[in-house]
Amino acid sequence: GAGVSQSPSNKVTEKGKDVELRCDPISGHTALYWYRQSLGQGLEFLIYFQGNSAPDKSGLPSDRFSAERTGGSVSTLTIQRTQQEDSAVYLCASRLLPNSYEQYFGPGTRLTVT
Amino acid sequence: GEDVEQSLFLSVREGDSSVINCTYTDSSSTYLYWYKQEPGAGLQLLTYIFSNMDMKQDQRLTVLLNKKDKHLSLRIADTQTGDSAIYFCAESVRDFGNEKLTFGTGTRLTIIP
Repeated sequence: GAGVSQSPSNKVTEKGKDVELRCDPISGHTALYWYRQSLGQGLEFLIYFQGNSAPDKSGLPSDRFSAERTGGSVSTLTIQRTQQEDSAVYLCASRLLPNSYEQYFGPGTRLTVT
Repeated sequence: GEDVEQSLFLSVREGDSSVINCTYTDSSSTYLYWYKQEPGAGLQLLTYIFSNMDMKQDQRLTVLLNKKDKHLSLRIADTQTGDSAIYFCAESVRDFGNEKLTFGTGTRLTIIP
């Protein structure tokens, strides 16, 4: 079956522009996560959606970052007024709750802010 | 808060064993994981261990957990060139009923022919 997909795979944008990154989780997975992987850094948790519960936004680094998950499926991560320090690989993962322990990761979107 | 630490680099000769170490801080972790990231790819779950276990073996992989010292290790026997990747340790933490993973910085494993 299809895994987690993300689009675009690469995005180059100018400083100050807004960008939207998309994640299509595995069908039926109720939990969805966004992470950021900066060069030489580990994975930084950004936001977590679980079913119809309020999302855990505790990892979002600033109010320029927001995310939505529509219909419990597709998610969009939006970065407004991008800065050079936003350059990173943004990874999405989904998980089948409640009993599954594994997060399935997408290939990521590489964002470069010039 | 949670913190997971790993050394950044490890070089091993082909055929030798690789041991990748990780320390974590949250004693309430329920699961601990090892993920593998190959160049240009997403993360792939390699193995996991429940916090009430101290060892798990899966083919060439052996996971050891020292809960007292909050130390986790991954041993890869007979390391091959295909094992070249970044290996991430992660702990699962429950926070107000939500479960999320906290990852280490990753250890880049390089295989020397």
